[in-house]
Amino acid sequence: SAVISQKPSRDICQRGTSLTIQCQVDSQVTMMFWYRQQPGQSLTLIATANQGSEATYESGFVIDKFPISRPNLTFSTLTVSNMSPEDSSIYLCSAVPYNSYNEQFFGPGTRLTVL
Amino acid sequence: AQSVSQHNHHVILSEAASLELGCNYSYGGTVNLFWYVQYPGQHLQLLLKYFSGDPLVKGIKGFEAEFIKSKFSFNLRKPSVQWSDTAEYFCAVNDQEVSGGTSYGKLTFGQGTILTVHP
Repeated sequence: SAVISQKPSRDICQRGTSLTIQCQVDSQVTMMFWYRQQPGQSLTLIATANQGSEATYESGFVIDKFPISRPNLTFSTLTVSNMSPEDSSIYLCSAVPYNSYNEQFFGPGTRLTVL
Repeated sequence: AQSVSQHNHHVILSEAASLELGCNYSYGGTVNLFWYVQYPGQHLQLLLKYFSGDPLVKGIKGFEAEFIKSKFSFNLRKPSVQWSDTAEYFCAVNDQEVSGGTSYGKLTFGQGTILTVHP
């Protein structure tokens, strides 16, 4: 299994600013992902965080808006840039540990409110 | 693109009632199927998964799900619910072809079903 922590757990931000969310896993993992859950909606995959290379973004998400880093096998960051109220969501990090046989574990999420 | 549909947004049951939550997906290729649960104030956690083999899979806390390929369905069942099963339940699908043949990653989630169990 894997224990995933995220910082911050919640934040209230002003329009036009940026926020960086950190995701830390307690063990080495193969894959890490970032999801968004908008109010009243399901989880939507933003991107796959690739270790040592650029993230792979899903349709509708771009690097300029959601830059992602993954410097090692246990840590990743997601930045929400130039925020608008439409970015208000819960952002979740997930990971697949090496010994999990493809089970994807999720972090507690970061609840972002943009005013 | 894959899409996942959960039939009910909110289900309300009394304790000991039987539960069935519907889940249908759109893509007909090789898929891996999951049910996740999110209890109030807690992380999303895996309830059960199907990769191959017996289409009837058993998960934690007495839950089971049946994969019916011809119906593109993966319904979640529990014969007798408890108050502690109150949570939101998400069906998710991973397309092996979309993911480059790997059997993990790129989950597409359904809208979620909120289950409320009254004591």
